[in-house]
This record gives sequence, structure tokens and C-alpha cells, in this order.
Amino acid sequence: SYVLTQPPSVSVAPGQTATITCGGDKIGTESVHWYQQKSGQAPVLVVYDDSDRPSGIPERFSGSNFGNTATLTISRVEAGDEADYFCQVWDSRFDDPYVFGPGTKVTVL
Amino acid sequence: HVQLRESGPGLVEPSETLTLTCTLSGGSINDGVSFWSWIRQHPVRGLEWIGYITHGGSTYYSPSLKSRMTISLDTSTNHFSLSLTSVTAADTAVYYCASRGPHGRFDHWGQGTLVNVSS
Repeated sequence: SYVLTQPPSVSVAPGQTATITCGGDKIGTESVHWYQQKSGQAPVLVVYDDSDRPSGIPERFSGSNFGNTATLTISRVEAGDEADYFCQVWDSRFDDPYVFGPGTKVTVL
Repeated sequence: HVQLRESGPGLVEPSETLTLTCTLSGGSINDGVSFWSWIRQHPVRGLEWIGYITHGGSTYYSPSLKSRMTISLDTSTNHFSLSLTSVTAADTAVYYCASRGPHGRFDHWGQGTLVNVSS
């Protein structure tokens, strides 16, 4: 099955930029989706298809995907951005086609 | 807007059958687009997709759970259900229902329900 890797944690000061990576074999050929999960809450889709945002998600959230790494970037970080962030792909070649990354905890200093 | 809500027992005994229901509001199970999914999250953060059912009733399950799972649909009441047999402590998790949209993304999630498998 397909495996995604993420750093366990990222720390960032308010107003700075947080960069969260998601690694996978040729992930640049996949559509990558990103979810934000605040403590005790359900995940929320923040970026889909590599770089699109659902309605209601601030422009501060952006994504890119190339080669073996997809990236979620949070600009002008706010205290309310502190959460776990998960990447996810769908690859119909595999019997288990919906794969989530292990998650990255973003801490706002 | 679309809202999903899970319901079911918080505690299930080992070897018993877990049954959860997801009720959809603000939309229709028959929207012809969404795949109605179940995802669980184990205590140490990991998210695991476990299966879906389409509006037409076709199902697809994770290979690791296929032998124990059934997902069913009731279009008249706008809900879908998960049945997981022969549960063990390894099935202890927060269970989410979600709608799967284009390119395999999960657009909407329920609030989640914690299921503890214990005697």
C-alpha cells in the first residue's frame, strides 16, 4: 500500500509561516488533500486537490505538490491554527486506496 | 449546509457486534455524487479509512476489515450504518462518518463517536 510520511511536529511563532510536508513516492502525480484537526474535534478539509481551498478557509492556507513532496503552508500563523494536520491521497491502484499521513502537530509559540 | 452525525453505543464487549448510524442533514443521500464513508481514528492520532457505500448501494471496504464489515443505506431516512462483527480491543477508536467527494477527498465529517471495546 501507499505510505505517506509527515514530521511529527512543527513549531512556529505567531505571524510567521508554518510549512508542513507530506512525503510519498511520486506524490506529485496524486491529488493531495489536507485536513486540520483541533483538539477534541473532527478533521476539517482545508486544502484539496493539492492547492484549492474549500469555501470559508482563509487564503493563509495554501498547498503545493511536486515530485515526492506535497506541502501545506500556513502564512501569518495565528494562535487558532494550533492543531494536527493530516495529508491524504486517493490511489485507486491499491486495494486500500484512501491513505492518510500520520499527522503533524503544529504548535504556535 | 451538509451535516453528519454519528450515533451508537460508547461501549461494546469483546466478540460482540458494533453498530453505528450516521444521519445526514442539509443534503440528500441520493445526491449522486458523494460516497458515504466511515473513518476511524485510533488513540494515537492515526486516521484509517474503513469503507464506503454509494447512493446506489455499492460498497467498498478496507481489505483488513472486509470480512467483518457491512455498510448499509436507508435513503428514506437519509442515514447509513456500519456494522463491525467480532470486535476486539484493537477496534477501540473514534469513529467518524464522512462524505467522500471528487478525487477522494472527504468534504464533510461528523463530530465523531468514541467506541471503547471492553468487558
